[in-house]
Amino acid sequence: QSVLTQPPSASGTPGQRVTISCSGSSSNIGSNYVYWYQQLPGTAPKVLIYRNNQRPSGVPDRFSGSKSGTSASLAISGLRSEDEADYYCAAWADSLSGPVFGGGTKLTVL
Amino acid sequence: EVQLVESGGGLVQPGGSLRLSCAASGFTFSSYAMSWVRQAPGKGLEWVSATSGSGGFTYYADSVKGRFTISRDNSKNTLYLQMNSLRAEDTAVYYCAKWSSYYYDSSGYPDYWGQGTLVTVSS
Repeated sequence: QSVLTQPPSASGTPGQRVTISCSGSSSNIGSNYVYWYQQLPGTAPKVLIYRNNQRPSGVPDRFSGSKSGTSASLAISGLRSEDEADYYCAAWADSLSGPVFGGGTKLTVL
Repeated sequence: EVQLVESGGGLVQPGGSLRLSCAASGFTFSSYAMSWVRQAPGKGLEWVSATSGSGGFTYYADSVKGRFTISRDNSKNTLYLQMNSLRAEDTAVYYCAKWSSYYYDSSGYPDYWGQGTLVTVSS
């Protein structure tokens, strides 16, 4: 049982816009930054969004993040087949003194 | 280019020990906190442990406290995780992850990850 709650799956067709939600509490998302990671099959996680809505260099602007209260979301516009991956949200947990993660959302591009 | 290469995983019996290593390159190793994150088969990510840039401060998840020890050798650009009293539930891919700042705190996050090393605890 993950601390942050994500839908287990999401899907879309090429060119569509998809959003993935992440729900937490006041002691994690509510008081700290949210991060999003993409994990392609058989590879290590790669950061897509940091500090709620910032993109590292090299991440396309098709990816965007937002946060409101104790929830956050990742939006992917202009969906591509190469976006098919697992997506994880993360946030610092004050009680743990470490990051907590969502259970992951498997994105399928139909 | 930041590179993190884990090694030391394998099959171990319950109650046994393993030491994982993570060789780092492409950045000033001693200037960043480092962490270990694991992923059980088919499951999500779980933070395991972290250490500050100097190695003077260490942090552990409750699930491994008292059994795992994190350390680093800044002269060798290497991070370690000594795992003792291993249990079946410790079976996972263990990722070494660079923290984005010197101190391990809420202002940072794991910004680069290695490819992981598989630890299987089974009789």
